[in-house]
Amino acid sequence: GAGVSQTPSNKVTEKGKYVELRCDPISGHTALYWYRQSLGQGPEFLIYFQGTGAADDSGLPNDRFFAVRPEGSVSTLKIQRTERGDSAVYLCASSILAPWSSTGELFFGEGSRLTVL
Amino acid sequence: GESVGLHLPTLSVQEGDNSIINCAYSNSASDYFIWYKQESGKGPQFIIDIRSNMDKRQGQRVTVLLNKTVKHLSLQIAATQPGDSAVYFCAEKETSGSRLTFGEGTQLTVNP
Repeated sequence: GAGVSQTPSNKVTEKGKYVELRCDPISGHTALYWYRQSLGQGPEFLIYFQGTGAADDSGLPNDRFFAVRPEGSVSTLKIQRTERGDSAVYLCASSILAPWSSTGELFFGEGSRLTVL
Repeated sequence: GESVGLHLPTLSVQEGDNSIINCAYSNSASDYFIWYKQESGKGPQFIIDIRSNMDKRQGQRVTVLLNKTVKHLSLQIAATQPGDSAVYFCAEKETSGSRLTFGEGTQLTVNP
């Protein structure tokens, strides 16, 4: 597809379970970002990848959160021992250059809605 | 109980009117600003950006104004249409940084 693809679109899990959220960025985009958005709030930065490496992971809230991008394309956000407070929409975004191209556009996916019961 | 974070600032306008959405930022080191539109169930969509060496930039039906003195950003939408109904976020970035920091968001409702 032409846009950023995120799966699953919805995930319901129980407290304490492990979840993985997948992001497939726009082909050729080297920069990939994960954001988290709670209801009624703006997106909150989690982590930024340049290629395969995490260039900035300072937004990850704690060590239960981890993300990988092993081949510099698809990324997976992993959450261990989920808590009810992790419930949010997890957004992925990509851009053609890092940190910004001259157009400055960051393309977002539609997000994965995580609900922890 | 009260739900924290559900009470977005709102702006309601009539179709055809001009809309002005405001945003205050706090980081003096921010030098790049973007407005995003987010429709229900979708990710944010880029509208227009502006760098700190400018105070105004125009796009199609949209204008962004930047006042660095008071750290204020505004988005003006001309001839607002029902399709403009969405939540609008401003975002800022530092020259040396890699992350966008988003503001609170404003819910725009356009009445036909």
